[in-house]
Amino acid sequence: NAGVTQTPKFQVLKTGQSMTLQCAQDMNHNSMYWYRQDPGMGLRLIYYSASEGTTDKGEVPNGYNVSRLNKREFSLRLESAAPSQTSVYFCASSQRDSRDQPQHFGDGTRLSIL
Amino acid sequence: AQSVTQPDIHITVSEGASLELRCNYSYGATPYLFWYVQSPGQGLQLLLKYFSGDTLVQGIKGFEAEFKRSQSSFNLRKPSVHWSDAAEYFCAVGFPKAAGNKLTFGGGTRVLVKP
Repeated sequence: NAGVTQTPKFQVLKTGQSMTLQCAQDMNHNSMYWYRQDPGMGLRLIYYSASEGTTDKGEVPNGYNVSRLNKREFSLRLESAAPSQTSVYFCASSQRDSRDQPQHFGDGTRLSIL
Repeated sequence: AQSVTQPDIHITVSEGASLELRCNYSYGATPYLFWYVQSPGQGLQLLLKYFSGDTLVQGIKGFEAEFKRSQSSFNLRKPSVHWSDAAEYFCAVGFPKAAGNKLTFGGGTRVLVKP
């Protein structure tokens, strides 16, 4: 069972470069999420997609864009990377219809912006 | 505003000793409550969850948590810690009126286990 798969696992970028982080889930979940994790701040929601064809901003959306390509895939794009975007990025998924369903996480993408 | 607080950033515990991690939330009603564990270099794994009913919930790896409405708390406990429990632990809260099944996470507590 693959669950939630993120690629790449590591990436180093220069300031101003662009990049897309990929996420795919094989659990037939409706909702998908992108978080960033910074020391002492837990996980903060960047964007989420409650269902295929919809996306919404989370707590820290500035500097990011997302695409819900289909039910399985949800990508996160940095158009012009900045050092403040150095972080660990996690993708997660869950069932939509029940708010008490837990989220399932990928292993993360460690991104450094120089 | 809704918030989740984990007051302890680091905790060091001896192997075999008991462990308690604190979590407090700010919300006007009972939220959905979760504890996740993150091992180094890994994603988050669900330990346990509380939605309603019995306020003492059992999870995986020998963990349990108790919901106390009067204290707005959901503390995680383990009677006897193993070296493999060294990890970072996150409390997360889902608020029933939040769109998209969103969660709010606490800042995390890193647990170090001494031999």
